[in-house]
Amino acid sequence: QAVVTQEPSLTVSPGGTVTLTCGSSTGVVTSGHYPYWLQRKPGQAPRTLIYDVTNKHSWTPARFTGSLLGGKAALTLSGAQPEDEAEYYCLLYYSGPWVFGGGTKLTVL
Amino acid sequence: EVQLVESGGGLVQPGGSLRLSCAASEFTLSSFWMSWVRQAPGKGLEWVANIKEDGSEYYYVDSVKGRFTISRDNAKNSLFLQMNSLRVEDTAVYFCASVKLGIWGQGTLVTVS
Repeated sequence: QAVVTQEPSLTVSPGGTVTLTCGSSTGVVTSGHYPYWLQRKPGQAPRTLIYDVTNKHSWTPARFTGSLLGGKAALTLSGAQPEDEAEYYCLLYYSGPWVFGGGTKLTVL
Repeated sequence: EVQLVESGGGLVQPGGSLRLSCAASEFTLSSFWMSWVRQAPGKGLEWVANIKEDGSEYYYVDSVKGRFTISRDNAKNSLFLQMNSLRVEDTAVYFCASVKLGIWGQGTLVTVS
């Protein structure tokens, strides 16, 4: 099965902007991969932030934006808050199976 | 309140079996693809399996093919994961979810030791 790659860790300053990316071993990530972005905090269930590239849930803060960028899926956080410190996972669809990326540990510091 | 509640986890010896259940409340499970996702200690999330609304299609991660079976009982608003020939590396918290809707259970711990 495909391998999905993410930055292992990133740091952003409070109020700053950071972009997390999600690449595929099979090539360019497209809308046909229906990229998802999930947030995971210790002791909590995963939380789906973005689905189908850009769509947000009612609970998704407006400062999170999903996109396709340079052949990858991307999650941009604009105006980082301390509570955004978490692990972020992308999830891609491969015509049946899904594959998670390895996750990005985001530090707000 | 919309929720998914997993049960059936526990301690099992290698080669053993467990059946996980996921009960939905205030949520009509039959209208959506449903998934099982796991997270092993110190590791990232791993998609395990999913199943179509009517149960006619299902997919598995390669590492569980032939050992795990996903199923659903829409009349009982429930999702299941039958896990056979369990291995130490299957140790994880298992979540049921409608990933697209953003509805997740709290998880159930499976320990193979």
